[in-house]
Amino acid sequence: NAGVTQTPKFQVLKTGQSMTLQCAQDMNHNSMYWYRQDPGMGLRLIYYSASEGTTDKGEVPNGYNVSRLNKREFSLRLESAAPSQTSVYFCASSEFGQGVSEAFFGQGTRLTVV
Amino acid sequence: GQQVMQIPQYQHVQEGEDFTTYCNSSTTLSNIQWYKQRPGGHPVFLIQLVKSGEVKKQKRLTFQFGEAKKNSSLHITATQTTDVGTYFCADNYQLIWGAGTKLIIKP
Repeated sequence: NAGVTQTPKFQVLKTGQSMTLQCAQDMNHNSMYWYRQDPGMGLRLIYYSASEGTTDKGEVPNGYNVSRLNKREFSLRLESAAPSQTSVYFCASSEFGQGVSEAFFGQGTRLTVV
Repeated sequence: GQQVMQIPQYQHVQEGEDFTTYCNSSTTLSNIQWYKQRPGGHPVFLIQLVKSGEVKKQKRLTFQFGEAKKNSSLHITATQTTDVGTYFCADNYQLIWGAGTKLIIKP
């Protein structure tokens, strides 16, 4: 099993450019998440999708949009990148509410906006 | 909104010494999960605690959940180089994470 797969692994954008981060999971999980991680800080939730067809804002949603394409895939879009969005982005999935709801993470996308 | 405070931010230890990280919340946590992130890696799940006063052990790691479900700790006995990384606590139900404690082994 691949688990959670994120693409790309690295990306450099110019201010104002747009891009979409892709995420797919093969564990049949209902819930998927997008986090950003900045130096010295924990993970901050950008958006999450509790189940297929639903998305909700997290702590830091401004400047981002998401799409839950199907149960497997959850994408994150930056419409007009800003230097403040330079960060490491992690996608995660879990079977929320079923006993131990361990979150499985992708390898991360290291994004630099110049 | 609710925050989970995690201390210390860094801890430097000699190999073989113990390590402890603490998480504190001003409000009751639904549960507490602990994750480990190696340098350059992604968070990996260690354990979940749900019950008030719960204590769980994994070899040299001991996890505790406070009686009031507002704090938690992770204690590592006799650290090894393989323990290096950042340890995070998280309330998975409320999707809140602590800022992490970085374990550094002194050369």
